[in-house]
Amino acid sequence: QLQLQESGPGLVKPSETLSLTCTVSSGSFISSDYYWGWIRQSPGKGLEWIGSIYYSGNTYYNPSLKSRVTISIDTSRNQLSLKLSSVTAADTAVYYCARWRRSGYYHFDYWGQGTLVTVSS
Amino acid sequence: QTVVTQEPSFSVSPGGTVTLTCGLSSGSVSASLYASWYQQTPGQAPRTLIYSTDTRSSGVPDRFSGSILGNKAALTITGAQADDDSDYYCVLYMGSGILVFGTGTKVTVL
Repeated sequence: QLQLQESGPGLVKPSETLSLTCTVSSGSFISSDYYWGWIRQSPGKGLEWIGSIYYSGNTYYNPSLKSRVTISIDTSRNQLSLKLSSVTAADTAVYYCARWRRSGYYHFDYWGQGTLVTVSS
Repeated sequence: QTVVTQEPSFSVSPGGTVTLTCGLSSGSVSASLYASWYQQTPGQAPRTLIYSTDTRSSGVPDRFSGSILGNKAALTITGAQADDDSDYYCVLYMGSGILVFGTGTKVTVL
């Protein structure tokens, strides 16, 4: 059973960079069938796609966040990372990593449990 | 900017049927947008219900079904149960790696 686990600081100061890591275990990380993505959910709000990455390193970002987001992948460690720069209180959210199945079956099929990041001084 | 709209809320009686929809701010939803649906309860990660418009994910009860209704994607719950009291989100795949979440629908079973 594939497992995804987010990790990183739970508190980030305004104007700084939020950094999170997602570790994938018990499954194939290098596959042409999947993207790996980040999604967030602000308190009491809906889900928002942040971006995705292919095992080759190709990235795809939400246009509304593109200028501040960097997603990277380390296939040797089965990890993907998220960096969000110049954060404000509006970036306070639960951040999820998830696997996106592609090739005609487009959907998120596995999710991490999520990690809460609070932006506050 | 693409906006994917869902009804804010629905109330359904136990055993009843409810249909949620997922529409585009501009344009129609067709099978080529590969609509998927997710259920989320408070404090939990989303759970995949439906993908590719109408395919149930493994282990999902058959009271959940997906379709295209007019120019929107739809999720129908037939014979609602107390466990279905949740938030529901659709996702549309816009192509070239870009996807958009819907605004979400809160379903209350009472």
